[in-house]
Amino acid sequence: NAGVTQTPKFQVLKTGQSMTLQCAQDMNHEYMSWYRQDPGMGLRLIHYSVGAGITDQGEVPNGYNVSRSTTEDFPLRLLSAAPSQTSVYFCASSAGLGAYEQYFGPGTRLTVT
Amino acid sequence: AQRVTQPEKLLSVFKGAPVELKCNYSYSGSPELFWYVQYSRQRLQLLLRHISRESIKGFTADLNKGETSFHLKKPFAQEEDSAMYYCALEDPGTYKYIFGTGTRLKVLA
Repeated sequence: NAGVTQTPKFQVLKTGQSMTLQCAQDMNHEYMSWYRQDPGMGLRLIHYSVGAGITDQGEVPNGYNVSRSTTEDFPLRLLSAAPSQTSVYFCASSAGLGAYEQYFGPGTRLTVT
Repeated sequence: AQRVTQPEKLLSVFKGAPVELKCNYSYSGSPELFWYVQYSRQRLQLLLRHISRESIKGFTADLNKGETSFHLKKPFAQEEDSAMYYCALEDPGTYKYIFGTGTRLKVLA
């Protein structure tokens, strides 16, 4: 099993550009989520999904879109990048709902200039 | 509002000394509580969760509902315990996770 994979590992964008961060898992997990990690802020939930076709907003959803058309994939779209979205982005998945372990991807380091 | 507070950004202890990483939470109900750890150049991973009442790598965490705390403890720190530790809360109603800001533990030789 590859576990949770994220691409790309690094990305530099200019203000106003759009892009999609990819996340995939091969563990048949129902729950998937996206976080951003900023210095002194810990991890903050952006969006999450409790199953294919179901998504919901987390703590900091503005400027990001998600969709969950398959169990395996959960892409995160930045519609119009802003410098405030410079961060490290982590995707995670878990087998179920309620006190299940979350498995994290390696992260994507995004810089918006 | 739901919140997880880790008051210490950095905690330095000597090898063999006891360790306590503090975590307080704000939640009106019974949340699920976790400790996650990120070792250097490794992925964030689960250390332990309240529901399992387990001891992992010598670490334990006790839920104190009166004080709304979930402090992480280890009686004798090892150098390999040096890492970033995050306390996390899961809202069992919405399945949203809230992480604390993290505490960096440095165990000195």
